[in-house]
Amino acid sequence: GNSVTQMEGPVTLSEEAFLTINCTYTATGYPSLFWYVQYPGEGLQLLLKATKADDKGSNKGFEATYRKETTSFHLEKGSVQVSDSAVYFCALSLPSGTSYGKLTFGQGTILTVHP
Amino acid sequence: DSGVTQTPKHLITATGQRVTLRCSPRSGDLSVYWYQQSLDQGLQFLIQYYNGEERAKGNILERFSAQQFPDLHSELNLSSLELGDSALYFCASSGSSGGEETQYFGPGTRLLVL
Repeated sequence: GNSVTQMEGPVTLSEEAFLTINCTYTATGYPSLFWYVQYPGEGLQLLLKATKADDKGSNKGFEATYRKETTSFHLEKGSVQVSDSAVYFCALSLPSGTSYGKLTFGQGTILTVHP
Repeated sequence: DSGVTQTPKHLITATGQRVTLRCSPRSGDLSVYWYQQSLDQGLQFLIQYYNGEERAKGNILERFSAQQFPDLHSELNLSSLELGDSALYFCASSGSSGGEETQYFGPGTRLLVL
């Protein structure tokens, strides 16, 4: 079946540090890939997405590249801020078939950034 | 603000009871999705509706049901509630912008079953 595996957290960084959160996936077909962020007490917000191989999604200084050869979609940011503290979810969806439309999520990675 | 609204924000009820969660999608979105977020199961897809019709079903219990109305709002009905149903329930919608595959989430309804 389809699945998403994220690096285990929590991840604790100092402000201005470099961030990488690893995400790999297993899917039948060619999925679209997403990163969602959940701030404390809030719902999920779409952070970025990529819909085909070698696409790079970017938003708010975060970026991730769809790597088909390694089935990965790692999230990176060059300099994190305290306000980036949140839970980050990697997810995939398939464009067709019985799994069409539904998002399959990773387990989430808690990020804490200290001043 | 995603444009997806959910009510109520919080719900506390007892085992054996029935509750209804409501979702209004973003303007123009035809697809509505329901997800459950719990500590042990993570984020799980429950069910999807498209323009009033059920399109896909995930890990949804038989005690749970949903529907989408002609005005495109959706309701998730949870009955014979058990302690393990305590979770955060999210609604998402897609379709009008960002493509059908991009889902925008509401703030969620936190359900506590005592």
